[in-house]
Amino acid sequence: KAGVTQTPRYLIKTRGQQVTLSCSPISGHRSVSWYQQTPGQGLQFLFEYFSETQRNKGNFPGRFSGRQFSNSRSEMNVSTLELGDSALYLCASSLLYRGPYGYTFGSGTRLTVV
Amino acid sequence: AQTVTQSQPEMSVQEAETVTLSCTYDTSESDYYLFWYKQPPSRQMILVIRQEAYKQQNATENRFSVNFQKAAKSFSLKISDSQLGDAAMYFCAYSGADGLTFGKGTHLIIQP
Repeated sequence: KAGVTQTPRYLIKTRGQQVTLSCSPISGHRSVSWYQQTPGQGLQFLFEYFSETQRNKGNFPGRFSGRQFSNSRSEMNVSTLELGDSALYLCASSLLYRGPYGYTFGSGTRLTVV
Repeated sequence: AQTVTQSQPEMSVQEAETVTLSCTYDTSESDYYLFWYKQPPSRQMILVIRQEAYKQQNATENRFSVNFQKAAKSFSLKISDSQLGDAAMYFCAYSGADGLTFGKGTHLIIQP
């Protein structure tokens, strides 16, 4: 059974640009959530999608957005990149929204903004 | 908003010994889930153990067990017979209405 796949693994962008990260969940999983991990702030919740609807959103500016497609794949977009957006972005999938099954994480996308 | 606190930034244990990682959380919700995740240097987050708040029985997964004290809002992880492969960052996580909230993590070092 394939795990959660995130692409690309590494990304270098220039300040002011925009970026799109992709996440393919485990087959059958309908919930996808995104997290930002930095040494200073730790792991922070960005948003969660279930059945193509955003169910929850963390405390991030509107430059961070996402969407989920009918096949449960999800994309996250960050516009007008800032140096502080450099981080490891993790995607996780789960069978249900807020269920007891826990979340399976991908290996992450390392974004560096220069 | 929920908060999760891991008061031990780093812990060290001898191989084959037992270690307990602490986690406390703050919430006004009655229905939630708690998890422990492990993140080795490969950065892959791995689910170690999970606990439903409505279950009084503490969860156990092989060498890993939790001590869940709902009234005290405490959720500690006990690792028995520690192995070199257990070395990693361990994160306590709370799943509630605001999504998944993580603690800052505990870096576990295994001394051979």
